[in-house]
Amino acid sequence: AQSVTQPDIHITVSEGASLELRCNYSYGATPYLFWYVQSPGQGLQLLLKYFSGDTLVQGIKGFEAEFKRSQSSFNLRKPSVHWSDAAEYFCAVGPHNTGTASKLTFGTGTRLQVTL
Amino acid sequence: EAGVTQFPSHSVIEKGQTVTLRCDPISGHDNLYWYRRVMGKEIKFLLHFVKESKQDESGMPNNRFLAERTGGTYSTLKVQPAELEDSGVYFCASSQEPYNSPLHFGNGTRLTVT
Repeated sequence: AQSVTQPDIHITVSEGASLELRCNYSYGATPYLFWYVQSPGQGLQLLLKYFSGDTLVQGIKGFEAEFKRSQSSFNLRKPSVHWSDAAEYFCAVGPHNTGTASKLTFGTGTRLQVTL
Repeated sequence: EAGVTQFPSHSVIEKGQTVTLRCDPISGHDNLYWYRRVMGKEIKFLLHFVKESKQDESGMPNNRFLAERTGGTYSTLKVQPAELEDSGVYFCASSQEPYNSPLHFGNGTRLTVT
């Protein structure tokens, strides 16, 4: 069965500092990979996704993620964090077969706090 | 375009009562999903509609949960009777296609069973 691990429950960074959120997955083949963000009082918003091709994926709000097959990882990065990035971040995987890519398996989330 | 709308945003009920959650997907999205996040845990898939048909309901916890999508538009998720472990945030999402198409999530309904 597929699974997603986000080892960091809570991370605090200073505004302007760089950020890396970790995500490891377990899946028998190459999955679809996603990062979602949930700001307070909001729904989940898709930041970026990896389906195939270039392993470095650019997303919205200045985020990027790199798929590393050898490490089964899909870490999210941002070079300079803004206070508005404070939110909860979720990594998710979807099966790589047509028709069920949206049946996602999520990690437990990483809550990001940004200090001024 | 209007996003995915969920109602109510919060619901507090007593154990044994019935609650119905509603989701209005983005217009034209045939695919509708329900997910749930129990406190502190991961967000889990419940079920997937294609129009009015249940494509996959493998994530539904038990027969106290009933999801419907009459007419292929909005969907309801009824919990009857509610138990304490049903507390959590219920998310609805929709997409144009079941694959290669991003999920658009609603803001969720926070359900508290006391």
